[in-house]
Amino acid sequence: QKEVEQDPGPLSVPEGAIVSLNCTYSNSAFQYFMWYRQYSRKGPELLMYTYSSGNKEDGRFTAQVDKSSKYISLFIRDSQPSDSATYLCARNAGGTSYGKLTFGQGTILTVHP
Amino acid sequence: GEEVAQTPKHLVRGEGQKAKLYCAPIKGHSYVFWYQQVLKNEFKFLISFQNENVFDETGMPKERFSAKCLPNSPCSLEIQATKLEDSAVYFCASSHTGNPGELFFGEGSRLTVL
Repeated sequence: QKEVEQDPGPLSVPEGAIVSLNCTYSNSAFQYFMWYRQYSRKGPELLMYTYSSGNKEDGRFTAQVDKSSKYISLFIRDSQPSDSATYLCARNAGGTSYGKLTFGQGTILTVHP
Repeated sequence: GEEVAQTPKHLVRGEGQKAKLYCAPIKGHSYVFWYQQVLKNEFKFLISFQNENVFDETGMPKERFSAKCLPNSPCSLEIQATKLEDSAVYFCASSHTGNPGELFFGEGSRLTVL
């Protein structure tokens, strides 16, 4: 079993739709949770970061963490064609594991006009 | 600089040849990381540095892989005697102390081993 499971998609939605992306993880040592976005032939860029259970909102993006269920989600409201990318969930245990991220497989999202 | 700069963008090597990749982190960032992305979306942590010191090398295949971050020089990742399975995109990232999940990635170096 992978430490982090993410549905690879691909996911195709019309412009303006609400998108829900999900990850589950098995290692309870993970304390920090991130969502990265990766455009084709580019490096990942950090979208959202959280270290506690609950919701965190930033513009059209909401990250949700449920540590008891080991489940994290990213919601994108009013999706735009420019949101078309691969979305990677990532986790880190912190401390001596600083910066050592465990990534999910990534979900390929296409938002069509 | 304001972004992580990786060179070369693409490198082709025959099996058994050496490959060397370079990374200039964002100025002021004290941590540097190398990740390997195989099969499009499988990221694997290789090694991290705090300034010029190895911080975590638990992901490095030590037999053929080595890495350095020397003062006043770009960081480097070197693969001796490349194998077909080393074909991947190698990403360098840098970070400043504080947020253990906030890494700034370069655009990657694509290594193709023939």
